[in-house]
Amino acid sequence: DAMVIQNPRYQVTQFGKPVTLSCSQTLNHNVMYWYQQKSSQAPKLLFHYYDKDFNNEADTPDNFQSRRPNTSFCFLDIRSPGLGDAAMYLCATSRARDSNQPQHFGDGTRLSIL
Amino acid sequence: AQKITQTQPGMFVQEKEAVTLDCTYDTSDQSYGLFWYKQPSSGEMIFLIYQGSYDEQNATEGRYSLNFQKARKSANLVISASQLGDSAMYFCAMREGLTPFGGSTLGRLYFGRGTQLTVWP
Repeated sequence: DAMVIQNPRYQVTQFGKPVTLSCSQTLNHNVMYWYQQKSSQAPKLLFHYYDKDFNNEADTPDNFQSRRPNTSFCFLDIRSPGLGDAAMYLCATSRARDSNQPQHFGDGTRLSIL
Repeated sequence: AQKITQTQPGMFVQEKEAVTLDCTYDTSDQSYGLFWYKQPSSGEMIFLIYQGSYDEQNATEGRYSLNFQKARKSANLVISASQLGDSAMYFCAMREGLTPFGGSTLGRLYFGRGTQLTVWP
């Protein structure tokens, strides 16, 4: 089945230690998104790629970076995680021009900071 | 102003009963889409149902239906015959524009704060 896969499902890192979360998709979608979701809150868009074009949300901290080496993979890098970065991170994909199509989400990576 | 408003932080319903989760939206676009997602405690976001702004009929998907009232800018989710497995957080979301050309709003979803649904036996 075509899908969005996030690894790992759970990630524990130390305060200030860089961490990378990964997302892959078999849907061949142009757009890939990264969301941060804190407990009992709505997902918050961090940034997205339209093909290779990177679009950062204005309020996304510089601590968060992303890479998309090819259509299938997208990575979220947190350079120096703080306690406030503990959250669920959701990756999603969509075809850019089909607004009647849903974004397809992965199962998420739950990040804990020690 | 918030794009999506969900005024019910929590809802309770007995098994086999129907429940309506409210959602109102704010947009000046003529062409937009409305989505409902379900998020169980395990965290994954599951797409439930979609309603396009130009769709004349209310969307239905199995036990889910969308009560779309365009003039009121509301898109309420109706779950019929609730099941214990329906207990989850439910998010309403909107996507604006059919022909995005670049910019940070390209296909982005605006989410509401969610409604926590609890189904009891």
